Amino acid sequence: AQTVTQSQPEMSVQEAETVTLSCTYDTSESDYYLFWYKQPPSRQMILVIRQEAYKQQNATENRFSVNFQKAAKSFSLKISDSQLGDAAMYFCAYLDMRFGAGTRLTVKP
Amino acid sequence: DAGVIQSPRHEVTEMGQEVTLRCKPISGHNSLFWYRQTMMRGLELLIYFNNNVPIDDSGMPEDRFSAKMPNASFSTLKIQPSEPRDSAVYFCASSLFWAYTDTQYFGPGTRLTVL
Repeated sequence: AQTVTQSQPEMSVQEAETVTLSCTYDTSESDYYLFWYKQPPSRQMILVIRQEAYKQQNATENRFSVNFQKAAKSFSLKISDSQLGDAAMYFCAYLDMRFGAGTRLTVKP
Repeated sequence: DAGVIQSPRHEVTEMGQEVTLRCKPISGHNSLFWYRQTMMRGLELLIYFNNNVPIDDSGMPEDRFSAKMPNASFSTLKIQPSEPRDSAVYFCASSLFWAYTDTQYFGPGTRLTVL
């Protein structure tokens, strides 16, 4: 069975700085998708970024980028120029919507 | 588009009562998902429909839970009878195309409290 692990229950970053959230997963598949979702206090789940495993290039969406290491089964999210609005729970998810436990990100002004 | 709509936003009920959660997916979306989120278990996929047909219900915890999708614009998740351990936030999500590879759009969730 596929599992998704987020080893950082909480992270903190100073506004305008960069933070990296970690995610590892386990799978025997060779082709799959990985996702990062953001859940602000409003509870709504919002897709931040997704990565297709067969693509070697790391996905990027504005200030959000991933470091996808397929051999290591690692999928970290980097947030650059952190903003107060980035404060939220961040969930890593594997193809079949198995979610990690989440990382709570606090942004300090 | 209004996005995925869920109702009610909050539901408080007593143990043993029937609970029905409702979801209206984004118009034109072909796939619909129901999730449950708790502190203990995190976010879990309960069931997934494609073109109104249940494809994967392996996440439904037990027979007290049932889900239907009578048409492309409406789905329900029913718990009968409800128990305190069912207390959670229930999310509905929809996506345009097939399965898990497409972006899912989540509703605001329904917070269920069973006393």
